[in-house]
Amino acid sequence: AQSVTQLGSHVSVSEGALVLLRCNYSSSVPPYLFWYVQYPNQGLQLLLKYTSAATLVKGINGFEAEFKKSETSFHLTKPSAHMSDAAEYFCAVSANYGGSQGNLIFGKGTKLSVKP
Amino acid sequence: KAGVTQTPRYLIKTRGQQVTLSCSPISGHRSVSWYQQTPGQGLQFLFEYFSETQRNKGNFPGRFSGRQFSNSRSEMNVSTLELGDSALYLCASSPRTGAGNTIYFGEGSWLTVV
Repeated sequence: AQSVTQLGSHVSVSEGALVLLRCNYSSSVPPYLFWYVQYPNQGLQLLLKYTSAATLVKGINGFEAEFKKSETSFHLTKPSAHMSDAAEYFCAVSANYGGSQGNLIFGKGTKLSVKP
Repeated sequence: KAGVTQTPRYLIKTRGQQVTLSCSPISGHRSVSWYQQTPGQGLQFLFEYFSETQRNKGNFPGRFSGRQFSNSRSEMNVSTLELGDSALYLCASSPRTGAGNTIYFGEGSWLTVV
């Protein structure tokens, strides 16, 4: 069965510091992986998607994620945090067969706080 | 290109009533999925429709239902509302169904049951 684990429900960084949000996945086949961001009182916005074309995926707003098969990880990073990055971030893996979980299996989310 | 549009954005209902939420997908997208988001349970999949047929269904009671029209627009209905149904309901669309497709979300409909 496929699953996603996001380590740390809350992460706090200072403005200008490195952002690192962790995501580990479980999948029996090469996965499609996604990161979404949710700003307060809004829906989910796609940050980036891994499709096996390149292990380092660049997304919007300066975020990028690196696929590491040996570690089954897809961590999200940004070199320098901005106040506007404060939001909740969701990692997701595309399900092979849908079913009761749907086509995307989400992690529990990580809330990022940015201190001035 | 317009994004996923959900209406209404905010609504308050009384326990026992029913509610219908509407979703217009991105033009050309044929798959529409619905999710419920609550602080305690996080994101939970409700159902997916593709070409007017329900493809997948989450583990929700029969009070939760949906449908999709020939123009890909979708509605979901919750009957006999309970306090626990208070949540953000998110609609998402995708060009196709199945693994690997990118899913785009709307802003959501905030439902409060009192």
